[in-house]
Amino acid sequence: RKEVEQDPGPFNVPEGATVAFNCTYSNSASQSFFWYRQDCRKEPKLLMSVYSSGNEDGRFTAQLNRASQYISLLIRDSKLSDSATYLCVVNILRDTGFQKLVFGTGTRLLVSP
Amino acid sequence: NAGVTQTPKFRVLKTGQSMTLLCAQDMNHEYMYWYRQDPGMGLRLIHYSVGEGTTAKGEVPDGYNVSRLKKQNFLLGLESAAPSQTSVYFCASSYIRTGNREQYFGPGTRLTVT
Repeated sequence: RKEVEQDPGPFNVPEGATVAFNCTYSNSASQSFFWYRQDCRKEPKLLMSVYSSGNEDGRFTAQLNRASQYISLLIRDSKLSDSATYLCVVNILRDTGFQKLVFGTGTRLLVSP
Repeated sequence: NAGVTQTPKFRVLKTGQSMTLLCAQDMNHEYMYWYRQDPGMGLRLIHYSVGEGTTAKGEVPDGYNVSRLKKQNFLLGLESAAPSQTSVYFCASSYIRTGNREQYFGPGTRLTVT
C-alpha cells in the first residue's frame, strides 16, 4: 500500500465551481500534513499546511481527519488559474530522527471557462 | 534572493556517461534534498543533507552520489547513467525543523538517458 494515496483525476470543473480532493495516508504516526501545488512542468510550491482543527486560506480550506487518516482540500469559486496538480504531502518521522516528507502522486484539476 | 537554483535545466546523456547536477540556495537553509519525479510515482527522495559536509541516503539512492562541501550547494552525481535514470530531478531546501517548515524547490532538471 502506498504511504500517501490520491485520486489522480483529472477533475474537470467550470469556473466558479466548488471542488474537493481527498488524500489518505497509511502511517498513523504522521505528524504534519501539507498541500502543495504543481503547475505543468514546474516545481512544487507549498499551498497550505493542514492543521488538526482545519484551516482556511481565502478560497481554500484544508481538513484533517486523524481517526480515518485522510486529508481534504476544498476549493471554492474555482478560477482558471487554479488549474494545476495538487500534491498531498505527509511528514513521517523515521527511526533516525529525520523527518521525511512523503509526496502523493497528485490530483490534476482542470478549470474551464 | 534567487531562492533555489538548479543547473542545467535540460540534459541528454548516452548510457554510461556521467554528469553532475548542481543545486544552490541563498536562504541559508540547513537541509537540502534531491528528488526525482516520474509519471505515476510522485516525488521520491534520492539523497539528503542535514548540514555542510553531511549526506544521507533517501529511498532511491542507487546509481547516485552527492556532496555538500558548502552549505549553499548540493551536488548530485550520476557516475554511469542508465535509461532508468531518465526523469525530472528537483532539488529542495528547508530550515532545520523540516517537519514543520516548507520545502523550497528549484525549477528542476529534465534528464534523458538514451
